[in-house]
Amino acid sequence: DAGVIQSPRHEVTEMGQEVTLRCKPISGHNSLFWYRQTMMRGLELLIYFNNNVPIDDSGMPEDRFSAKMPNASFSTLKIQPSEPRDSAVYFCASSSDPAGVRHEQFFGPGTRLTVL
Amino acid sequence: SQQGEEDPQALSIQEGENATMNCSYKTSINNLQWYRQNSGRGLVHLILIRSNEREKHSGRLRVTLDTSKKSSSLLITASRAADTASYFCAPKPSKVFGKGTKLTVNP
Repeated sequence: DAGVIQSPRHEVTEMGQEVTLRCKPISGHNSLFWYRQTMMRGLELLIYFNNNVPIDDSGMPEDRFSAKMPNASFSTLKIQPSEPRDSAVYFCASSSDPAGVRHEQFFGPGTRLTVL
Repeated sequence: SQQGEEDPQALSIQEGENATMNCSYKTSINNLQWYRQNSGRGLVHLILIRSNEREKHSGRLRVTLDTSKKSSSLLITASRAADTASYFCAPKPSKVFGKGTKLTVNP
C-alpha cells in the first residue's frame, strides 16, 4: 500500500489566492483527518470525516477554510482567500476505525504551505 | 476533547543512553498511543497500550500506563542518532495532539 498520499508537497502562493490541498487516504479506511502544524500552535485538528461525512469541524479556523470528501478515496481542504497566517504544514491522516480511537492513524507526508 | 501533555518539552542525550518521556492526560481513556515525527515528516505510530494494560514492549520501546495517575511513559533504550525526532502521546478517544517532546540523540 502506498500509504496516505497528499498533494502538492509544497505550495507557495500569494495572499488572496485560493489554495486547494488534496488527500488520498489508505484504501479501506473510513476515517479521514485534516491537521495543521505550526511552531506556535503545534498540531491542530481541523476536521475529521467518517464514511465521507464531516463529523467534527470545530477546529476549522474560519469560513475561509472548507473541506470536502466526495468519495472514500479523495478529500480536499480549500483556503479562499489565503492569508500569510495560514502558512503551516497541513497533514492528512486516515484510520480504519470510525474515529481513529481503537486503531492507529496513518499520516501523509504533509503539504508545506507558504502564503506570501 | 483532551490532549496529552508531554514532558519534558525537549530532551538531549548521548547515543547509547536511555530516553524517558512522560505523558499526562485528564479524563478516562480507551487506549493511549505514542507517535514519532521526524523533522519535516508526518507522524508515525509507534505503540498502542490499552487502558487495562500496565506495560508494553516493542523492540527498544517500553511503554507504561498508570490510569490512576492518568500518566504514561515512553522509554527508548540504547538510543541511536536515528531516534532524534519529536514524540507525541495520544490518549484516545481524543483526536488532538500535544506539543510533543523533542528528543535529540547526539552521536
